[in-house]
Amino acid sequence: TQLLEQSPQFLSIQEGENLTVYCNSSSVFSSLQWYRQEPGEGPVLLVTVVTGGEVKKLKRLTFQFGDARKDSSLHITAAQPGDTGLYLCAGYLDMRFGAGTRLTVKP
Amino acid sequence: DAGVTQSPTHLIKTRGQQVTLRCSPKSGHDTVSWYQQALGQGPQFIFQYYEEEERQRGNFPDRFSGHQFPNYSSELNVNALLLGDSALYLCASSLDHYNEQFFGPGTRLTVL
Repeated sequence: TQLLEQSPQFLSIQEGENLTVYCNSSSVFSSLQWYRQEPGEGPVLLVTVVTGGEVKKLKRLTFQFGDARKDSSLHITAAQPGDTGLYLCAGYLDMRFGAGTRLTVKP
Repeated sequence: DAGVTQSPTHLIKTRGQQVTLRCSPKSGHDTVSWYQQALGQGPQFIFQYYEEEERQRGNFPDRFSGHQFPNYSSELNVNALLLGDSALYLCASSLDHYNEQFFGPGTRLTVL
């Protein structure tokens, strides 16, 4: 059973568009991590958010941790085909992953 | 640095058989975790090994067992395979439990 719910499950957009994906839980997390996984590979850590309300930026990716530390969002600006992949959120130290959002960016 | 390596890459077994998957952690890492990722799902935590002992375990039956060797490499054993055990098995290593995990490419297990 996934305690972390991610939405949308699938997202297909054109290059240059913006998008936001969400990670929600009824549980409070001490911190939360976002990963990206490409076909045939293991997940790669993108960011860890720790403080409620925290915002972290990684180039065109903006991550936000909810004030109550129960939810998080990932916003991508001007998506590129290289952003295609499965985006996973996970409770840090909790070892629990969401089911992921599968993003496809079409050229 | 080779990073986390797993073997074999792919494996096909039949129901009732037993399988052993292997993982070599990233150089300098002492903690190994195993995950099962079914198609279309996120990874599910199986267990974690540190100092050759199982430190944490997820909600998996006793058919799933593991081992960590003195060189920190690890094995995942699954007995009495079921069709539902078909999945990508991921190994992740870290320097202790509190640091970033690095994942290997996984072993794709198919049970027929």
